[in-house]
Amino acid sequence: GAVVSQHPSWVICKSGTSVKIECRSLDFQATTMFWYRQFPKQSLMLMATSNEGSKATYEQGVEKDKFLINHASLTLSTLTVTSAHPEDSSFYICSAMGQSNQPQHFGDGTRLSIL
Amino acid sequence: KQEVTQIPAALSVPEGENLVLNCSFTDSAIYNLQWFRQDPGKGLTSLLLIQSSQREQTSGRLNASLDKSSGRSTLYIAASQPGDSATYLCAVRGSEGGYQKVTFGTGTKLQVIP
Repeated sequence: GAVVSQHPSWVICKSGTSVKIECRSLDFQATTMFWYRQFPKQSLMLMATSNEGSKATYEQGVEKDKFLINHASLTLSTLTVTSAHPEDSSFYICSAMGQSNQPQHFGDGTRLSIL
Repeated sequence: KQEVTQIPAALSVPEGENLVLNCSFTDSAIYNLQWFRQDPGKGLTSLLLIQSSQREQTSGRLNASLDKSSGRSTLYIAASQPGDSATYLCAVRGSEGGYQKVTFGTGTKLQVIP
C-alpha cells in the first residue's frame, strides 16, 4: 500500500531554533499534501494544504511566516517551524494524496518539544 | 464552513460486542469521507474510504456507511477485540474557497475490555 514517510519522529530543541519536518510519499506521486497539528486529546487541525509547484494555502489563524511550507516535488513537502517557542510544541502530522478520489495517506507524525 | 461531529466521544465495551460509531457533518457537498484509527502518540491509519457516490464500504470486520443527504456516516465494528482499542476519526473532504479541504471529526475513543 501507499506509504508516507515523515521525518524526524521526535525533536527536542531550544526556544528560538528553526525546525524542519519532511514528508515524503514513497511509492506514489502526491499532488496534494496536508499538514496538521494535534494537541493532546484533541483531533487534528488542518494547518495548510500544499499543491506541488504552487504556494501553500493556509488555514485561518495559521501564520504563514511562522510555518513555512515547501512542496517542490511530487514526493516531498517540508514544514519549517521558524523561531520555535514552547507554545509551538505539538504533534505535527502530514498526509499525502494522489488523485482527488484517492484516500489520504498519513505519516507517523513528528512530536516537537520546544524547551 | 464544514463541521464534523462524532458521537460518542468515548466508548467502553466488552470484547466480542458489535458496536457503531457515528459521524455527522454539516455540509453535504463532499467528495468523500474517510475513517481512520489513531493509536496513542501515533499517526493515522486509514480504515475505509467512501466516495460521495457510494453508500458503504466493507473491510473485514469493519463496515462504513454514508448518507450524504442527511450528513451522516457510521462505522460498524463487528465482534470487537482488545486490539481495536484506539481513537477513531472520520474526515470529510470537500472544497472551500476553491481549494480542497479535509475536516476531521472530534474522534471517538474506543476501549475494548478483554
